[in-house]
Amino acid sequence: NAGVTQTPKFQVLKTGQSMTLQCAQDMNHEYMSWYRQDPGMGLRLIHYSVGAGITDQGEVPNGYNVSRSTTEDFPLRLLSAAPSQTSVYFCASSYSQGDTEAFFGQGTRLTVV
Amino acid sequence: SQKIEQNSEALNIQEGKTATLTCNYTNYSPAYLQWYRQDPGRGPVFLLLIRENEKEKRKERLKVTFDTTLKQSLFHITASQPADSATYLCALFYTDNYGQNFVFGPGTRLSVLP
Repeated sequence: NAGVTQTPKFQVLKTGQSMTLQCAQDMNHEYMSWYRQDPGMGLRLIHYSVGAGITDQGEVPNGYNVSRSTTEDFPLRLLSAAPSQTSVYFCASSYSQGDTEAFFGQGTRLTVV
Repeated sequence: SQKIEQNSEALNIQEGKTATLTCNYTNYSPAYLQWYRQDPGRGPVFLLLIRENEKEKRKERLKVTFDTTLKQSLFHITASQPADSATYLCALFYTDNYGQNFVFGPGTRLSVLP
């Protein structure tokens, strides 16, 4: 059972470049979410999805897009990378929001230069 | 808005002692409160969940309490071991005027010294 798989693990981008962080889960979870983690600030919610075809914004959505065409996949797109987007990104999935445990991927460490 | 605070950014204790970590919130009482462990370079791993109508939850050497009057949860690790060294995060699921929220605290880095 793979759980939540994120790729890539590390990425360096130049300012203005775009890229997609991949996230896949094999637990048939409806709820998926993307967080960024910065020193001293904890995990902050970027976007989330409560099921295929349904997405919504979290606390810090600017500069990011998401889509959920299947239950398994929830990619995060950076439209035009900025140095402020340098962070560690985590994808998570759960059966539902809040009342069940969330499973996290290993994270993607992104540096924008 | 809701503010979540966890006690000191870092906590050092001696092996064998009980570690006590705190999670305080300011406004909306969460329906559920969760605790996670995060090791360097890894994603958080779920430990325990406690509901607003529960006072205490236990799992092996771990114990969580929840006091809605004090707006506080305590997380205890008894007979602590160096392997317990990690960052511990609390997460709250609550409803405010804008809808449902699932928010993490900043975490406490625990070091258990041999």
